Amino acid sequence: QKEVEQNSGPLSVPEGAIASLNCTYSDRGSQSFFWYRQYSGKSPELIMSIYSNGDKEDGRFTAQLNKASQYVSLLIRDSQPSDSATYLCAVNMISFSGSARQLTFGSGTQLTVLP
Amino acid sequence: EAQVTQNPRYLITVTGKKLTVTCSQNMNHEYMSWYRQDPGLGLRQIYYSMNVEVTDKGDVPEGYKVSRKEKRNFPLILESPSPNQTSLYFCASSESSTQYFGPGTRLTVL
Repeated sequence: QKEVEQNSGPLSVPEGAIASLNCTYSDRGSQSFFWYRQYSGKSPELIMSIYSNGDKEDGRFTAQLNKASQYVSLLIRDSQPSDSATYLCAVNMISFSGSARQLTFGSGTQLTVLP
Repeated sequence: EAQVTQNPRYLITVTGKKLTVTCSQNMNHEYMSWYRQDPGLGLRQIYYSMNVEVTDKGDVPEGYKVSRKEKRNFPLILESPSPNQTSLYFCASSESSTQYFGPGTRLTVL
């Protein structure tokens, strides 16, 4: 079964600290990796995408991908209370029919940034 | 404004009463999908569509139907809803691998 796994948390960090969110996936053929942020009662919004091994930085966010270890992470520097949300890892995996690629989501990690 | 819309946003219904949740996007995307979100289980794909008249099952299709007669619309149909379909539903559309989500529909089946 194709799986994406995340620690559910909750993860609490003090304001200004680095928050580290981790995700592992089972399908070695996966090509595209995404991090979504979801505030309570709202829809997921894309914050980072990464396609090749290494780091990708965007403002306070850094996504890290290691395909050999089947591991993707998200670092949030200088965490702010407004970063408090659930972070969803999503991976493009081949569907069971093999006819299309689709996103498989992890269950999410709840992050709380304490003032 | 580029957006995905869903209606209704909230719905309380009873077991067995057929319902339809509409989804529409104005971005001319070919790919659309439906997800349900339950506590501890994350987002699970119900059905997806790669284009008009092309649909396929996702991970949890039982009890649901979809249709894609127009590119912009992708309704989700529950022919005979049951309490285990109480959930938060999201429609999404995408052009490549990036999906844009609608605001969600919170469904309660009594």
